[in-house]
Amino acid sequence: GAVVSQHPSWVICKSGTSVKIECRSLDFQATTMFWYRQFPKQSLMLMATSNEGSKATYEQGVEKDKFLINHASLTLSTLTVTSAHPEDSSFYICSARDQAGAREQFFGPGTRLTVL
Amino acid sequence: QKEVEQNSGPLSVPEGAIASLNCTYSDRVSQSFFWYRQYSGKSPELIMSIYSNGDKEDGRFTAQLNKASQYVSLLIRDSQPSDSATYLCAVRKLTGGGNKLTFGTGTQLKVEL
Repeated sequence: GAVVSQHPSWVICKSGTSVKIECRSLDFQATTMFWYRQFPKQSLMLMATSNEGSKATYEQGVEKDKFLINHASLTLSTLTVTSAHPEDSSFYICSARDQAGAREQFFGPGTRLTVL
Repeated sequence: QKEVEQNSGPLSVPEGAIASLNCTYSDRVSQSFFWYRQYSGKSPELIMSIYSNGDKEDGRFTAQLNKASQYVSLLIRDSQPSDSATYLCAVRKLTGGGNKLTFGTGTQLKVEL
């Protein structure tokens, strides 16, 4: 149980285009989903927290207009990187929690974004 | 001071030995502690969670928590080459923002034949 999927697993795009990444909880309902970014040789940095049906809460320094997060259902959250630039190239990982107050987060397999 | 600190390593141990990974955290209101294993190019995988002082064992893994010293560790017994990975310590504290995890930078473990 507690499986989280992400799609796509990798994507290459041109500078200036937008990229959408999907995060799905396959066998549970995720009340909260988290989006992380990880640059090479660095740890995971939380970008934003999203709760189903409400606006995402962004971490300090993360541009909400650039990284659009939608959590429209209890099993799906999407992250759209708008007008992507090479510095946005990173490993994007989502995680999900199955109920309010639950201690554990379950991570998706990640999406490798390369912006040319 | 970083919220969660780990030695980046690499920590090299021979196969069959015990690997000891350490983590300290700065915020005393931290409540839950996690160890994740991350292979290169992959996402983190939960190995252990611990919530109260003392030891928690699961197979070859033992997590140890000392809240007074703000210290959490992970012991891996009978280390195998497949244990070679980066181990991330994560801390969760209750905040108004909804139980975020804060990660350390990870310790790279190499188990040598």
